[in-house]
Amino acid sequence: SQQGEEDPQALSIQEGENATMNCSYKTSINNLQWYRQNSGRGLVHLILIRSNEREKHSGRLRVTLDTSKKSSSLLITASRAADTASYFCATDSSASKIIFGSGTRLSIRP
Amino acid sequence: GAGVSQSPRYKVAKRGQDVALRCDPISGHVSLFWYQQALGQGPEFLTYFQNEAQLDKSGLPSDRFFAERPEGSVSTLKIQRTQQEDSAVYLCASSFRGEIHDSEQFFGPGTRLTVL
Repeated sequence: SQQGEEDPQALSIQEGENATMNCSYKTSINNLQWYRQNSGRGLVHLILIRSNEREKHSGRLRVTLDTSKKSSSLLITASRAADTASYFCATDSSASKIIFGSGTRLSIRP
Repeated sequence: GAGVSQSPRYKVAKRGQDVALRCDPISGHVSLFWYQQALGQGPEFLTYFQNEAQLDKSGLPSDRFFAERPEGSVSTLKIQRTQQEDSAVYLCASSFRGEIHDSEQFFGPGTRLTVL
């Protein structure tokens, strides 16, 4: 079973537009991470936000965390074709493992 | 290269055959993780090592799955008597720190296992 659930499951936008993906989780966390996966490749870490943080930026990425609602969002601004990938949130459910959601498949139309 | 490597990249096995999947983590990384990823799904945790110690194997789906990391570096995931439902991509990840909190995981490209 997976703790995090991303929404939407799939998203298609025009190049240059902003993309927003959401993640909901069930239990309390220490931190939440976002990863990207290009087709046929391993996952690449994008950003980590701690439970005491509300917002974090990294380049064109903006992540928010609302622990009261047990949700997070990932915003990619000024999308590019190279942003086409699947995006996963991951939460630390215990001391020894992190749990991934089922992902949002993002497609950027040229 | 300096990244996590996995071999083989692709493996086709007949049902009932045993397979062994190898992971070479980044040198010096303490933690090593194995995940199973079905098509269109996120990675599902299988097991976790801190150096040579297997601290969590709660995600291994059955006793046909066995993982080891005898010298605290290279790890092998072995699946005995493979079944069709074992078909998936098996991902290995390593991280520098021993604890997983605040610890970025670096993933290998995965091994795609197909059981016929």
